[in-house]
Amino acid sequence: DAKTTQPNSMESNEEEPVHLPCNHSTISGTDYIHWYRQLPSQGPEYVIHGLTSNVNNRMASLAIAEDRKSSTLILHRATLRDAAVYYCILRGRRRWSNTGKLIFGQGTTLQVKP
Amino acid sequence: ETGVTQSPTHLIKTRGQQVTLRCSSQSGHNTVSWYQQALGQGPQFIFQYYREEENGRGNFPPRFSGLQFPNYSSELNVNALELDDSALYLCASKEPGPFYGYTFGSGTRLTVV
Repeated sequence: DAKTTQPNSMESNEEEPVHLPCNHSTISGTDYIHWYRQLPSQGPEYVIHGLTSNVNNRMASLAIAEDRKSSTLILHRATLRDAAVYYCILRGRRRWSNTGKLIFGQGTTLQVKP
Repeated sequence: ETGVTQSPTHLIKTRGQQVTLRCSSQSGHNTVSWYQQALGQGPQFIFQYYREEENGRGNFPPRFSGLQFPNYSSELNVNALELDDSALYLCASKEPGPFYGYTFGSGTRLTVV
């Protein structure tokens, strides 16, 4: 399974943008890049995923490097509610009915200061 | 019904006992996965069920077993509990078709004493 590397922790000020990096130099051509986050005392929450092109949704944006060996999750305006552990995960493109286990690393703990 | 519901939220068991954890998924979510999360660690994949059959397993011994039912509920059973089984157990489900991401429950906190 391809591995991801993330900083252990990051800090941000409220209402400022946050860029959470992820390195995945051994990514294969069929691996999707997924981001989940886990707020305190809750299960992980899906944030966004992409393959090659940058992606936007209501929660965040995902910027993927041209060589796909790194990506960045962008929170455009951090709020106190965004304080969580953010996980960058590679998931192979399989038939939807096959095993799609998510391999979580340590993630990045994001602190948001008021 | 929306979301994934897990029960109980907290549980204390004695070493050697057996435990059953329950998960209720959204209607139509025919894939369910279970994860174990030790304190300060990321979740670790236990196994996945699709249409009531196990179709993937992580590095967990056979005393971890599961069931998935036609009504989109599922169970995780752990026999011969060990102290190291103390963790947060998470259930995650997804709908068939285009991939939108797994929906996780809030978990069951199991303490083995």
